[in-house]
Amino acid sequence: DAGVIQSPRHEVTEMGQEVTLRCKPISGHNSLFWYRQTMMRGLELLIYFNNNVPIDDSGMPEDRFSAKMPNASFSTLKIQPSEPRDSAVYFCASKPGLAGDNEQFFGPGTRLTVL
Amino acid sequence: GNSVTQMEGPVTLSEEAFLTINCTYTATGYPSLFWYVQYPGEGLQLLLKATKADDKGSNKGFEATYRKETTSFHLEKGSVQVSDSAVYFCAPQPPGGKLIFGQGTELSVKP
Repeated sequence: DAGVIQSPRHEVTEMGQEVTLRCKPISGHNSLFWYRQTMMRGLELLIYFNNNVPIDDSGMPEDRFSAKMPNASFSTLKIQPSEPRDSAVYFCASKPGLAGDNEQFFGPGTRLTVL
Repeated sequence: GNSVTQMEGPVTLSEEAFLTINCTYTATGYPSLFWYVQYPGEGLQLLLKATKADDKGSNKGFEATYRKETTSFHLEKGSVQVSDSAVYFCAPQPPGGKLIFGQGTELSVKP
């Protein structure tokens, strides 16, 4: 299995631009999570989906952030407009269902730099 | 509410030293407990887990025991290697809920 796939791996953009991060979960996994990691705030859960439906988006920082999961094999996290404080590493993770003892599998992350 | 407290880093050890990283948690219900590891420039990966009281998770020489009475899940390794240098995250997961990550503990092992 290829694992969780994220693209791009690195993104550099200017303030005000739209940024779209992409994630392909592991086949057969029906739960998907988006995290953000910074030195100051550590690892934060932004949103998670189960069976393509958003379950909890309480971690989404503000309306500039939106996430979609149009099908079981693809999800996007969009920032519009982007700001320098959005600079972080964004991770996608998937797992087979919401059972408490299931492991989450993380992608390699997208390093976003907003100038 | 749900929370995790981890030993603050960075922790610097010499090769072959004994490692302990403390972790205590509060969580609703009966959580499963995980340790994840993040090597430089990579995503997180599962190191070990335990799903019920007194269970011991182990992997790559690391161990942690689910202590319900003290709500702890301390990570230990008898002899660390340079290749163990990474950031370690303790993470309880309540039933049907989401992982609750600690702030992470950076470990640096010197030759």
